[in-house]
Amino acid sequence: LAKTTQPISMDSYEGQEVNITCSHNNIATNDYITWYQQFPSQGPRFIIQGYKTKVTNEVASLFIPADRKSSTLSLPRVSLSDTAVYYCLVGDMPGANNLFFGTGTRLTVIP
Amino acid sequence: ETGVTQSPTHLIKTRGQQVTLRCSSQSGHNTVSWYQQALGQGPQFIFQYYREEENGRGNFPPRFSGLQFPNYSSELNVNALELDDSALYLCASSLSGTSGSYEQYFGPGTRLTVT
Repeated sequence: LAKTTQPISMDSYEGQEVNITCSHNNIATNDYITWYQQFPSQGPRFIIQGYKTKVTNEVASLFIPADRKSSTLSLPRVSLSDTAVYYCLVGDMPGANNLFFGTGTRLTVIP
Repeated sequence: ETGVTQSPTHLIKTRGQQVTLRCSSQSGHNTVSWYQQALGQGPQFIFQYYREEENGRGNFPPRFSGLQFPNYSSELNVNALELDDSALYLCASSLSGTSGSYEQYFGPGTRLTVT
């Protein structure tokens, strides 16, 4: 079961780059790594997904080392609106028994 | 493009009662997953439906059941409600193919309170 481990919380000042690392030592060959963002009383929102190396989109970058046992979500120049809980998931399809959200990382952006 | 919608928004039930929650998938999506999220916790996978068949189930008892309809909308039914069933119930839709990972689109959730 490819569970994940993330820091419980992080604080950052506005305008800084934030890196959140996730450990997934038991990741399987077919598993992808997906990050979601969740605001209070809302459903999670997809941020980024990757399999290996580096993936970048308009909101974040995802760095995955060669052994794929960890991944780092990078948020450039965070703003107050980025205050949320960030979840790292591994799995080969949504809803499979190996898809595990965990408790996530609560990011607080400070003015 | 219509997003994922859920109804009702909030619901209060008494222990022992039954409840049905509804979800409309995003247009073009054929897979629906349901999650339970207790306060302060991450979402826990309940089950998934793909083309009207259950396609994976988490660690939830049989009193949690579901349906997916030909238009890909879905229902979550919970029988014999317990106090611990109080949570935010999330529905997520996605487009499943033969392999690979898929982006899930979540609805706003239904807040269920069991008293």
